[in-house]
Amino acid sequence: QVQLVESGGGVVQPGRSLRLSCVASGFSFSNYGMHWVRQAPGKGLEWVAVIWYDGITKYFIDSVEGRFTISRDNAKHTLFLQMDSLRVDDTAVYYCARDSDVGASGYLDNWGQGSLVTVSS
Amino acid sequence: QSALTQPASVSGSPGQSITISCDGTSSDIGSYNIVSWYQHHPGRAPKFIIYEVNKRPSGVSDRFSGSRSGTTASLTISDLQAEDEAHYYCCSYAGTSTVIFGGGTKLTVL
Repeated sequence: QVQLVESGGGVVQPGRSLRLSCVASGFSFSNYGMHWVRQAPGKGLEWVAVIWYDGITKYFIDSVEGRFTISRDNAKHTLFLQMDSLRVDDTAVYYCARDSDVGASGYLDNWGQGSLVTVSS
Repeated sequence: QSALTQPASVSGSPGQSITISCDGTSSDIGSYNIVSWYQHHPGRAPKFIIYEVNKRPSGVSDRFSGSRSGTTASLTISDLQAEDEAHYYCCSYAGTSTVIFGGGTKLTVL
């Protein structure tokens, strides 16, 4: 079955960087768009970024544009989120999620368990 | 863009039905038939339970149903069961490959 496993979270100081990974299995990774979604403590889900199946088309929420980069390695079935210039309000559990289509259909049909990122001095 | 608006909490007794509303705008729910709902138990992966406003993915109970009227989407859970206690999030396509979530609703089964 579809499995998504995030890693790379941790505690980091404001202004520093962190890279999250999401290893996919149980499906043909290169045929699906992939998203990152986050949940700050006590808050709801917030969509962060999407990357289409080919790794070329990418979109971000305004608050992370220019600071976060999304990428993928289809050969290694892995999705990445490079987070630079981290801010306290980036503190959240970060989930990777599969889109139901090659790009961004709007449906996130499988999710990982999440990886906690804490930005604190 | 602001999150879609959901009630913070709803509750119901086992066997009853509840409805969770999700208010959007003409830029999201009102423009696209691409509305989905997710069930989230704390500490677990969110689960995809409704897509295209009112369709259920394979394996999702038919006690879950969705609807939309104008810029408001709704999720109805009938015959409430203890395991339905969770947070529920609506989500709408918002153009240019982006999506927007609701603030989430905590369902308590009394």
